[in-house]
Amino acid sequence: KQEVTQIPAALSVPEGENLVLNCSFTDSAIYNLQWFRQDPGKGLTSLLLIQSSQREQTSGRLNASLDKSSGRSTLYIAASQPGDSATYLCAVEYGNKLVFGAGTILRVKS
Amino acid sequence: DAGVIQSPRHEVTEMGQEVTLRCKPISGHDYLFWYRQTMMRGLELLIYFNNNVPIDDSGMPEDRFSAKMPNASFSTLKIQPSEPRDSAVYFCASSSWREDTGELFFGEGSRLTVL
Repeated sequence: KQEVTQIPAALSVPEGENLVLNCSFTDSAIYNLQWFRQDPGKGLTSLLLIQSSQREQTSGRLNASLDKSSGRSTLYIAASQPGDSATYLCAVEYGNKLVFGAGTILRVKS
Repeated sequence: DAGVIQSPRHEVTEMGQEVTLRCKPISGHDYLFWYRQTMMRGLELLIYFNNNVPIDDSGMPEDRFSAKMPNASFSTLKIQPSEPRDSAVYFCASSSWREDTGELFFGEGSRLTVL
C-alpha cells in the first residue's frame, strides 16, 4: 500500500529559526513529489515539485530534497517568519495519482 | 488565468438532499481531480479525469457519489442523497502534462455541511 507519512505532526518555532519538515513514503516508484502549503480555510498552494530524477528544488527560502532510495523528502525553511505559519503537506505522485501525507502544522512565533 | 474556480464555497444542507459541487479547471489543463478533505482521513482522491474522460473513480465512496465532466472547462460532483458523514471540504484540482511537469493547482474548496 502506498502511504505517505509526515513528521512532526505539529511544530512551533520562534521567528528566525531554520527548520526541517520530514516526509517519508513506502513505495519508491514515484513520478514526482510535491510540497504544498495550506492556510486555514483555504485551498492548497504548490510550493515545490521535485521530479523523480531530481535531488532537490529551491524557491526563495525553501529547499526541498528527495531521496528515492530511502523513501524520504525534506522541506527546509530558512529564517522562518510568522507568515510561514500554515499546514505543509507532502504529496507523492504514482501514475497521475497524488497520495498525500497528513501534513505538518507549523506555527512561527513572533 | 484565474486559477481553479469552485462553487459554492460553502453549502449547508439537510440529510437526504441532493448536493452539486462545481469546478472550472485552469484553461488548457487536461487533468481534473476531485479530492475530499476531513480531519479524520486527510486528503482523499475521489476521482480524476483526463481529457474529460473519467480514468479512476475507485476513491468514490458510494454510489451516492457521481462526477461528470461534460467539457474541458466544467466538472460537477454530485451527492444524492447526502448524509451527515459526507460533511467535508471538497477540492477540485487541475494539471497539465503537455505543458509542464504535472504540477497540481487546487481550487479554494467547497465546504459541505450535511445536517
